[in-house]
Amino acid sequence: ELKVEQNPLFLSMQEGKNYTIYCNYSTTSDRLYWYRQDPGKSLESLFVLLSNGAVKQEGRLMASLDTKARLSTLHITAAVHDLSATYFCAVDIGGHTGNQFYFGTGTSLTVIP
Amino acid sequence: EAEVAQSPRYKITEKSQAVAFWCDPISGHATLYWYRQILGQGPELLVQFQDESVVDDSQLPKDRFSAERLKGVDSTLKIQPAELGDSAMYLCASSPISWWNTEAFFGQGTRLTVV
Repeated sequence: ELKVEQNPLFLSMQEGKNYTIYCNYSTTSDRLYWYRQDPGKSLESLFVLLSNGAVKQEGRLMASLDTKARLSTLHITAAVHDLSATYFCAVDIGGHTGNQFYFGTGTSLTVIP
Repeated sequence: EAEVAQSPRYKITEKSQAVAFWCDPISGHATLYWYRQILGQGPELLVQFQDESVVDDSQLPKDRFSAERLKGVDSTLKIQPAELGDSAMYLCASSPISWWNTEAFFGQGTRLTVV
């Protein structure tokens, strides 16, 4: 059974601080995605990581992928209140005929002013 | 900007009643997904279509849930009869078939409350 685990599940951090969210998965895959979800809203794509060692950055967020360790990280730099949301990683185990996404448990981030 | 359309946005139904959700994916996207998201959890895949064919419905409770995508475009997810435990957000997503990989694009979801 495929497992996609995130930690921490809940994160409360002060503005200006740095922190990392971890995503571990239990099967072989070199494709991983990060999504953001605001309360009551749908999922917004943040990053697409398609190979071992991939690193993507957008603003205060940086995501990386280590396929050998089956680990992805989402690093938050100098957090601001607007980053408060739930963050999900999703592992893609599909092949060339299409994607098959399995989501992690989510990390609920609250940035305190 | 193209987006995945879902309706209704909210639905309240009594248990044992039938309920249906509709999804129109981004034009040209061959793959369509239905996910269920229980409050506080990650989305769980219910069914995945490639054009009009079901690719994966292993997590779909087939005794009460059904899904179809007859013409390979829009899709309907039905629950009959609804149970209290079905209260959740139902998310539709789509992605193109491609030899390079892309993320799934999600609709706004249908929030179902069964009373």
